Amino acid sequence: DQQVKQNSPSLSVQEGRISILNCDYTNSMFDYFLWYKKYPAEGPTFLISISSIKDKNEDGRFTVFLNKSAKHLSLHIVPSQPGDSAVYFCAASAGLGSQGNLIFGKGTKLSVKP
Amino acid sequence: DSGVTQTPKHLITATGQRVTLRCSPRSGDLSVYWYQQSLDQGLQFLIQYYNGEERAKGNILERFSAQQFPDLHSELNLSSLELGDSALYFCASSVETDTEAFFGQGTRLTVV
Repeated sequence: DQQVKQNSPSLSVQEGRISILNCDYTNSMFDYFLWYKKYPAEGPTFLISISSIKDKNEDGRFTVFLNKSAKHLSLHIVPSQPGDSAVYFCAASAGLGSQGNLIFGKGTKLSVKP
Repeated sequence: DSGVTQTPKHLITATGQRVTLRCSPRSGDLSVYWYQQSLDQGLQFLIQYYNGEERAKGNILERFSAQQFPDLHSELNLSSLELGDSALYFCASSVETDTEAFFGQGTRLTVV
């Protein structure tokens, strides 16, 4: 049973527009959420995180929103750039910041077209 | 470059064999994590070590084992390999157990 779900395997967006990547989770014990970006032939790279005491965290063009009641989080990229094209993984853990127990989704492949 | 080094990058071996994957964490990082990414699957957490001791265990098969040495590098041992063990194996490291983890480039294991 998947505890972290990314229901869209792929997403295509025009350069300059907003990219919205979604993630749902089932375990109410999760209290720390992260987004990782992965390019082909490279390991995942940490992008942004949010703890359950917040509902929004922003870092430059990247904003993560958390809706605890809906068990849903999303990553917004504004404006999208071609270099953002990658696979994005959502991850969650129970035990704040305990990255060893990260549960990952299957990823969403983002393509940003010039 | 994340600073996490994994060797080898590619490995092809036959069913029933045993292999060892190696990970050198970033300088100063005490925590090492191993993940498996199979085709069409997300990253599955296998096991975590902190300063030489096992800290957390995930979906790691009994045929698999790991250890972290005094110099903090880690090895993941996979034995009695099956076709289904073919996957990308990632190592990650972090300074502590509650800080951002940095991933290596992975070892692609192919079992034939």
